[in-house]
Amino acid sequence: SQQGEEDPQALSIQEGENATMNCSYKTSINNLQWYRQNSGRGLVHLILIRSNEREKHSGRLRVTLDTSKKSSSLLITASRAADTASYFCASTGGFKTIFGAGTRLFVKA
Amino acid sequence: GAGVSQSPSNKVTEKGKDVELRCDPISGHTALYWYRQSLGQGLEFLIYFQGNSAPDKSGLPSDRFSAERTGGSVSTLTIQRTQQEDSAVYLCASSPRAQTYMNTEAFFGQGTRLTVV
Repeated sequence: SQQGEEDPQALSIQEGENATMNCSYKTSINNLQWYRQNSGRGLVHLILIRSNEREKHSGRLRVTLDTSKKSSSLLITASRAADTASYFCASTGGFKTIFGAGTRLFVKA
Repeated sequence: GAGVSQSPSNKVTEKGKDVELRCDPISGHTALYWYRQSLGQGLEFLIYFQGNSAPDKSGLPSDRFSAERTGGSVSTLTIQRTQQEDSAVYLCASSPRAQTYMNTEAFFGQGTRLTVV
């Protein structure tokens, strides 16, 4: 499969809790990105972390990257009902960007 | 335009017919990607265009699939003799330059939902 792997496949939490999603990829990369998808349509870019970076923050988002383990995590702090969506990691190496299978996050109000 | 535009938004076709899906990237973006997403799945890479270079077609699942990009702008994905397993959302994305080297994000269209009956 050309896809990376993400876990969990689905996550249900209460509003205000933190949500952590993990991603593993297969090849060496130049960068790794996280995207959000609502209602199975267009993806929106959230954050990009370069291969020489280990951690990056953007608002309530925190991304880590461990190139030795070929893995990344996305943490959403103080989650809101509006964060309900599918989240995908995308690893870029060579000329392709390979997407993971996604984590479906449901935040209960 | 303001963003990546795809048309049609939805397409229902009969098995065996040919379909054409269109993507208008953001003006000035040299890189263009097509992905396919089956229900509840991740994105499957299909094809990548970068400027005037030969496209990377390594993700196309069969010779029934082809794509072209005219004048470095609009792209058309063609599926010949459609099969039921071709049913999916087809997403197009563009970026200012090759993502690999410039670490740029991709901007996605809203996709075309193809249903083969």
